[in-house]
Amino acid sequence: EDKVVQSPLSLVVHEGDTVTLNCSYEVTNFRSLLWYKQEKKAPTFLFMLTSSGIEKKSGRLSSILDKKELFSILNITATQTGDSAIYLCAVRNNYGQNFVFGPGTRLSVLP
Amino acid sequence: GAGVSQSPSNKVTEKGKDVELRCDPISGHTALYWYRQSLGQGLEFLIYFQGNSAPDKSGLPSDRFSAERTGGSVSTLTIQRTQQEDSAVYLCASSSSGGATGELFFGEGSRLTVL
Repeated sequence: EDKVVQSPLSLVVHEGDTVTLNCSYEVTNFRSLLWYKQEKKAPTFLFMLTSSGIEKKSGRLSSILDKKELFSILNITATQTGDSAIYLCAVRNNYGQNFVFGPGTRLSVLP
Repeated sequence: GAGVSQSPSNKVTEKGKDVELRCDPISGHTALYWYRQSLGQGLEFLIYFQGNSAPDKSGLPSDRFSAERTGGSVSTLTIQRTQQEDSAVYLCASSSSGGATGELFFGEGSRLTVL
């Protein structure tokens, strides 16, 4: 059974700090790993990673995948209060079409 | 529509009653997913529709849960004889390519409370 573990489950930082969120996974026949941001109810897409070692970057957010060690990290530099959200990691295999989500990391950025 | 639309946004029901949750995906999106999110938890996969193919129902937790998608567009998730453990936010998502690009577009969800 495919499985996604995220850590920490909760994190409180101050504006300007840099944070690293972790996602480890077990999946049969890996296809892709995805990061989503959930502020209220609807998660929004951040990144999709399929290859090891290639960093994806969008503004202050970046992510990288290690397919050998089966994990990914999401970095947020110079955090802002608007970064406060739940960050969800999901994996997908080549057999089915569903995305298996982790429990999420709840990030709180204090002013 | 401009985005994925779900209704009702909130539903309070009594244990044992049936409920129907509706999802109207983005126009033209062939893939539609239902997820359930309990308080403080991640997203639990329920069911997936892709075009005219048979749906992947592998995530439905019991035979009280069913879903259909009429005309390849609107989907309805039905929960019969609701139980308190069914209380959760039910999220619907759609995609234009079965999620091949990774981008699922989520609705705002239907929050179900079973008393």
